[in-house]
Amino acid sequence: QQPVQSPQAVILREGEDAVINCSSSKALYSVHWYRQKHGEAPVFLMILLKGGEQKGHEKISASFNEKKQQSSLYLTASQLSYSGTYFCGTENTGKLIFGQGTTLQVKP
Amino acid sequence: EAQVTQNPRYLITVTGKKLTVTCSQNMNHEYMSWYRQDPGLGLRQIYYSMNVEVTDKGDVPEGYKVSRKEKRNFPLILESPSPNQTSLYFCASSFGLAGIQETQYFGPGTRLLVL
Repeated sequence: QQPVQSPQAVILREGEDAVINCSSSKALYSVHWYRQKHGEAPVFLMILLKGGEQKGHEKISASFNEKKQQSSLYLTASQLSYSGTYFCGTENTGKLIFGQGTTLQVKP
Repeated sequence: EAQVTQNPRYLITVTGKKLTVTCSQNMNHEYMSWYRQDPGLGLRQIYYSMNVEVTDKGDVPEGYKVSRKEKRNFPLILESPSPNQTSLYFCASSFGLAGIQETQYFGPGTRLLVL
């Protein structure tokens, strides 16, 4: 079952914050976050493991609520380089299933 | 340099003509997988492999075959391609610990057009 991401698209000004949500109907062992720029391969941002802590990557951080089977990605003081499509991936027994993606556009 | 390579990067073919897309990684990763990416659908897993000679179906395996005879290689085979397999394909690899995956490293992608 593909996780559901919201919103589908976000447009920001440089310096603004954004939150991308990812929810699953199944119990999760881990949640992965990746960013993909146009015409390129997805690039790893972070993994959150069941029972683990909130993890950060520069000004990008994420949380994982195991009970609600949800994860959120927080982008603080966004930069132009944050533009791209963000995917969450939920892992359960070896399969990694990605959401449909959230397109983020940061404008000057 | 640690990397995942795919060949070819671009391919135009005709319906029914068998093709193979190769994937190779030089990081000694146990876990390898294939995804297809279509607009609005995100990345969908086709097949994955936990280790040599161990493969399993992902979410969209129909029309595809894989093999894992060596740890570094994980080719994707389309025995009889059809136009609905026109897509962008990514190979990925990672270390795998008891089914919980580490960072996945993606190849550059293969853009396939089936006429």
